[in-house]
Amino acid sequence: AQSVTQLDSQVPVFEEAPVELRCNYSSSVSVYLFWYVQYPNQGLQLLLKYLSGSTLVESINGFEAEFNKSQTSFHLRKPSVHISDTAEYFCAVSRGRNFNKFYFGSGTKLNVKP
Amino acid sequence: SQTIHQWPATLVQPVGSPLSLECTVEGTSNPNLYWYRQAAGRGLQLLFYSVGIGQISSEVPQNLSASRPQDRQFILSSKKLLLSDSGFYLCAWSVGGAGYEQYFGPGTRLTVT
Repeated sequence: AQSVTQLDSQVPVFEEAPVELRCNYSSSVSVYLFWYVQYPNQGLQLLLKYLSGSTLVESINGFEAEFNKSQTSFHLRKPSVHISDTAEYFCAVSRGRNFNKFYFGSGTKLNVKP
Repeated sequence: SQTIHQWPATLVQPVGSPLSLECTVEGTSNPNLYWYRQAAGRGLQLLFYSVGIGQISSEVPQNLSASRPQDRQFILSSKKLLLSDSGFYLCAWSVGGAGYEQYFGPGTRLTVT
């Protein structure tokens, strides 16, 4: 069975500081990896995903994540956060043939302070 | 472009009352559909998924059921709500297999009193 672990339930950080949100997964087969962001009382939005190729993937708003197969990790980073980045972030792995079943982590709440 | 709708946005229901939440998708055909529940501090729990009309798979035994009467309509129901059914319910859709993203609706906040 798949499992996704997000080690930090909450991460407080000051504006313009760097941040890393950690994600580890367990899988004996190839997986596809995703990060989603959820703003209060809204649905989830895709932030970035890793399918294959370069292990470093980037989003349009400055986030990046690195796939590390040996450590089974897919940590999310941003060199300088903004107040508007305050949200909950979910890591997920996907598998399936005719459909894509997602396994989500428990989420990390990022709280950016001024 | 594709859009996904959920209603109602919020709902307050007494214990023992029935439930019906609706999700519809526009702009795509034969999507895979999903119902998730998000309880406070517990992440997302997949409740049901459907790969076609009338095809429903349940992930966890519970007080809820799902139906897909039309290609782009997904309904979550309960005959008698429990306090533990409170949460934020999210519908999502996707096409294709592994590696394709899921697109989420705006969610329904259900409070059972």
